[in-house]
Amino acid sequence: DTGVSQDPRHKITKRGQNVTFRCDPISEHNRLYWYRQTLGQGPEFLTYFQNEAQLEKSRLLSDRFSAERPKGSFSTLEIQRTEQGDSAMYLCASSLQRNTEAFFGQGTRLTVV
Amino acid sequence: AQKITQTQPGMFVQEKEAVTLDCTYDTSDQSYGLFWYKQPSSGEMIFLIYQGSYDEQNATEGRYSLNFQKARKSANLVISASQLGDSAMYFCAMREGNGATNKLIFGTGTLLAVQP
Repeated sequence: DTGVSQDPRHKITKRGQNVTFRCDPISEHNRLYWYRQTLGQGPEFLTYFQNEAQLEKSRLLSDRFSAERPKGSFSTLEIQRTEQGDSAMYLCASSLQRNTEAFFGQGTRLTVV
Repeated sequence: AQKITQTQPGMFVQEKEAVTLDCTYDTSDQSYGLFWYKQPSSGEMIFLIYQGSYDEQNATEGRYSLNFQKARKSANLVISASQLGDSAMYFCAMREGNGATNKLIFGTGTLLAVQP
């Protein structure tokens, strides 16, 4: 396992459709994060898991967004009834413990048309 | 509220020269961490360097060094001997508090272009 893996790399969907992204963190990392990055901006925090527990959610994460990490390994981020404003790069990151750097995946670029 | 400010939208540097990318931060926490990440056009955020708020020495990692001035709340990244492969977006980020979540707050980034 050489890094954080995200799938798919690109997703184009029609407005109103549901989409699901997957993140596989570095295997021994117990912390997993989702960020969203829009054009010209830095990443913004969405949510955080420690093992399987979702410990924090940003106000950016509307009711249409849900994230899971059922076995404390991979995570999924689902967006229901997508809107054009959801178009962004969705980045996943993982880290081993507190006070250590987070390693990011290559992201999933979502385009809602 | 914590905030990261990067005032340079873009920078040019000649190959083999040094360049400084500016970052200032705002926090009321006593314990915090500062990070720099590189984002090439492929999209992946690559960790470069970390500075803890209690670290007395400036962090260095190969050609990267962090000029940490706590009183001025600045954490500038210095890249020495620039290479063409250094062309990318660079983001400064801050970890809130004592690392309970490791959640990062990012600046808006600086686009660095290295010219031959």
